[in-house]
Amino acid sequence: AQRVTQPEKLLSVFKGAPVELKCNYSYSGSPELFWYVQYSRQRLQLLLRHISRESIKGFTADLNKGETSFHLKKPFAQEEDSAMYYCALRGSGGSNYKLTFGKGTLLTVNP
Amino acid sequence: DAGVIQSPRHEVTEMGQEVTLRCKPISGHDYLFWYRQTMMRGLELLIYFNNNVPIDDSGMPEDRFSAKMPNASFSTLKIQPSEPRDSAVYFCASNLQGYTEAFFGQGTRLTVV
Repeated sequence: AQRVTQPEKLLSVFKGAPVELKCNYSYSGSPELFWYVQYSRQRLQLLLRHISRESIKGFTADLNKGETSFHLKKPFAQEEDSAMYYCALRGSGGSNYKLTFGKGTLLTVNP
Repeated sequence: DAGVIQSPRHEVTEMGQEVTLRCKPISGHDYLFWYRQTMMRGLELLIYFNNNVPIDDSGMPEDRFSAKMPNASFSTLKIQPSEPRDSAVYFCASNLQGYTEAFFGQGTRLTVV
């Protein structure tokens, strides 16, 4: 079974402050991990994926297999970062293409 | 490509009525997912298809829910009979095997009164 846990439903920070959105997962194999973002009244879109090890809009996320975590971080939050963030997991191998999401964290960046 | 297209965007119906939500995936994509989004439960996977065949429907909450994919360019999610607790935003997403990103539709906001 695959499971994604985002412990914080809501997170509020001030502009310029660091932000960390937590994500823990449970999966017996080697998963693919993603962060998706949903801005107000827009569709979900991919923010970043662990295999790319990229930084998008100043956000980074590192896969920690020992802690089974994939936390999303940004050193200086901006107001336009306010959105719903979903951590997602996809299993590996064969026909296991199931994409499972956490419950999401609503990030509010205050001026 | 216009992306994943869902219809209708909004649906208000009375309890007990049948509701059909529609999805057109991105042309050429071989995976299609249906999700339900609520404040309490977040984004739940209901069912997904590969090459029009249902692979995992373990997330479908009850027998009142059914989904079909008669061809590669169309899928439906039906609720019969609908109940107020079915009120949510329903998303469809499609994916091409070998590529990472799943593309989402705009969603259908369902309100059952």
